[in-house]
Amino acid sequence: DAKTTQPTSMDCAEGRAANLPCNHSTISGNEYVYWYRQIHSQGPQYIIHGLKNNETNEMASLIITEDRKSSTLILPHATLRDTAVYYCIVRVEQTGANNLFFGTGTRLTVIP
Amino acid sequence: NAGVMQNPRHLVRRRGQEARLRCSPMKGHSHVYWYRQLPEEGLKFMVYLQKENIIDESGMPKERFSAEFPKEGPSILRIQQVVRGDSAAYFCASSPPDGYYEQYFGPGTRLTVT
Repeated sequence: DAKTTQPTSMDCAEGRAANLPCNHSTISGNEYVYWYRQIHSQGPQYIIHGLKNNETNEMASLIITEDRKSSTLILPHATLRDTAVYYCIVRVEQTGANNLFFGTGTRLTVIP
Repeated sequence: NAGVMQNPRHLVRRRGQEARLRCSPMKGHSHVYWYRQLPEEGLKFMVYLQKENIIDESGMPKERFSAEFPKEGPSILRIQQVVRGDSAAYFCASSPPDGYYEQYFGPGTRLTVT
């Protein structure tokens, strides 16, 4: 079962930052937070992951609260191509426990 | 580098026929995962394989479904005697041998059972 809670949908104006929240209040000390997105029925695309420190890459930033019970994915300058369903997933990094549990995600719509 | 490849992209089968879905992982990847996505739902894990081994099949239906990842060639997801409820998008993902981290997904195979 998914261990995360996300809003069902969000809108964001094109060019603005999109901030997607995720609650994972039961996260364990050895579980990472992962974000994937799925654009219109394509295969999911990896975005970013982190354990406790904030992370940034060319796609997005991940802000994890100090108690690790929630996180926020930030798309700094949303474009129309960022319209997708965004999945927040927690998982342990160990052999044999590699499957991803996808919940219902957040449907982000970027508005022109 | 070529990404994860799946074929066919679309597959139509009549009830009772067999469906074979193929997945070629990214070059150098030896871990393969299969997921199923029913209409308007999130992806559900089915099975995790390494070369010639099934590591975790906890998400596979007990009957009619099987998967393999031979030493040579693509991974195969096989569905025998398909029923309408098997209509879904089936996604394959792969990861490198030392990487438990991100999984790279293919474009999926959309199975329609008529």
